[in-house]
Parts: sequence; C-alpha cells; structure tokens
Amino acid sequence: QLQLQESGPRLVKPSETLSLTCSVSGGSISNSNLYWGWIRQPPGKGLEWIASVYRTGTTYYNPSPKSRATISVDTSKNQFSLKLGSVTAADTAVYYCARHEMVRQFGYIWFDLWGQGTLVTVSS
Amino acid sequence: QSVLTQPPSESGTPGQRVTISCSGNTSNIGSNPVNWYQQLPGTAPKLLIYSNNQRPSGVPDRFSGSKSGTSASLAISGLQSEDEANYYCAAWDDSLNGPVVFGGGTKLTVL
Repeated sequence: QLQLQESGPRLVKPSETLSLTCSVSGGSISNSNLYWGWIRQPPGKGLEWIASVYRTGTTYYNPSPKSRATISVDTSKNQFSLKLGSVTAADTAVYYCARHEMVRQFGYIWFDLWGQGTLVTVSS
Repeated sequence: QSVLTQPPSESGTPGQRVTISCSGNTSNIGSNPVNWYQQLPGTAPKLLIYSNNQRPSGVPDRFSGSKSGTSASLAISGLQSEDEANYYCAAWDDSLNGPVVFGGGTKLTVL
C-alpha cells in the first residue's frame, strides 16, 4: 500500500529557505505514470497547490509562489522535495505532499493519495 | 480570495440531504471537470469525487457530484454525524492560475 510521508524542519526563520521532502513507500515513483505535488494549508484556511513534478523531472508551478518555489524528484531515493525561498510569516502552513492524476487535454487533475501533512512555522 | 467560490458553512440534521455549491468561471469549472475533497478535523484531505461525478473506491454512494455550466454541487444524502467536515471543490484552470485551483472550503455541521 503506497504511503507518503513529509519530513523537514518545523521552524524556519523569515527570509530563509523552507525545505521539505516527501518519502514514498510501498511503491516506486519510477514505475508510476502519476504526478507528485505539494499543497499547503495556512492555519484555519483553505488549500493552495504549490507545485508538481513528474518522474522524468518535468515540473509545474503555481504562478503565485512560483518564483520562490523549486520542486525536484529523486527516483533513486524514491522521494521528491520542495524548496521555498525568502519565506515570510505568510508561508506558515501545513504542507502536504500528494500523488495525482493529470491529463491536460481533458483537464484532469485530482489528488488521490495524501501524506499526513507537516506544520511549518515561519518565525524568528 | 479563492478562485472557486463556496459557501463558508452549511448544516443539516442526521438523515437529511444537503448540497454544497461551488462557483467558478469559463476557464475552470466551465471547461474542466470538478473534484471534491473531504477534510475531517485534524486530518489530510481525502478525494471524495473526481471528474464531476465519479466516486473513488470506498466512498459511499451517499456522496454524489454534479456540474452545470460554471457551477458544481456536492450532494450528501442520509447525512451522518461522521460527515461533519470541511469540503473543498477543485478544478483545472486554463488561465495563469493553473493547473489546479481550490474553493475556499465549506464547513459542514451535522446538528
């Protein structure tokens, strides 16, 4: 049974870089035709998609935090990662990694498997 | 300000049928399928409905989805206490906001 687990620092200082890793167990990223993404949820607020990556390294970004976000995949470690630079208090959120279907031709995009999420707080 | 608009809250009594609406525009709901997620308190979201009206394996048939024009709805029949959660709609967006945008979420309270 495929599972996703986020890891990384829970506290990041303003202006620094937030770094998170999602480890995939019970299956291989390399053998999947699905995509891998990051979604965040500020406390008490809604969901925001940040970025996604395919096993080949092709990336997709939300234009909003795009200039500060970098997503990458490491198939040898069966994990993918997110870096978000120049963070501010507005980046405080629960960060989820998730697997998703995506077929642009039909507008298909749904997240069918999620990690439990990790709260990252930006504070000095 | 979310791209997709949902009512902040809805409520119902056990056994009742409730609907949650989601409004968008021609670049998202108007031209792409809608998905719905259920988020129980303190947990990660769970895919509830995909491609407008398809249920993943394990989702009870009490949950159903529909779409018309630039709006979509999630219906829950035979409301149960365990349905109390936040519900989010989502869709592909063909504009710069893409590829996926979410609604602001609806808190469903079972009275």
